[in-house]
Amino acid sequence: DAKTTQPPSMDCAEGRAANLPCNHSTISGNEYVYWYRQIHSQGPQYIIHGLKNNETNEMASLIITEDRKSSTLILPHATLRDTAVYYCIVRALSGNTPLVFGKGTRLSVIA
Amino acid sequence: DAGVIQSPRHEVTEMGQEVTLRCKPISGHNSLFWYRQTMMRGLELLIYFNNNVPIDDSGMPEDRFSAKMPNASFSTLKIQPSEPRDSAVYFCASSPGRVSSYNEQFFGPGTRLTVL
Repeated sequence: DAKTTQPPSMDCAEGRAANLPCNHSTISGNEYVYWYRQIHSQGPQYIIHGLKNNETNEMASLIITEDRKSSTLILPHATLRDTAVYYCIVRALSGNTPLVFGKGTRLSVIA
Repeated sequence: DAGVIQSPRHEVTEMGQEVTLRCKPISGHNSLFWYRQTMMRGLELLIYFNNNVPIDDSGMPEDRFSAKMPNASFSTLKIQPSEPRDSAVYFCASSPGRVSSYNEQFFGPGTRLTVL
């Protein structure tokens, strides 16, 4: 079972920041927070991951609370192409462990 | 790099027929995963391999499902006999398999299976 809780859906105006929350209150010390997204009819795509520090890459930023029980994925300037289902996943440090997907958040970016 | 390649992209078959789905992982990746996605159950792991060896097949629904990885560049998922409830999108993914936090899984485009 997924170890995360996410809102089922969110809307965001195009050009605005999209902030997607995730609760992972049972996260262990050796588990990372990963975010993937799935655009309609495509395979999931990696976005970002982190352990305890905030992370940023060309796609998004990840803010993890100090107690690591929750995090927020931020898309700074959402576009229509960011409309997708976003999955927050906790996963131990390992080369081999599979991803356990929950239901994710369906983000709709509106023009 | 062409990414993970899956074939066929779409498959329509009749109940009772054998179905074989194929996957070519990214060259150099040591781990390969098969997932299934349905509206009811979402994305669920079926089986995964490390260095061509099956590690966990507890997600395989029943004996009608089997998966093989004869070499590092090819894997198959077979359903025999197929049933309408097997209709789903089947994804193959591969990852480098390093013991590292950055161990991104790359997904293929999926095979949409319809069993009539």
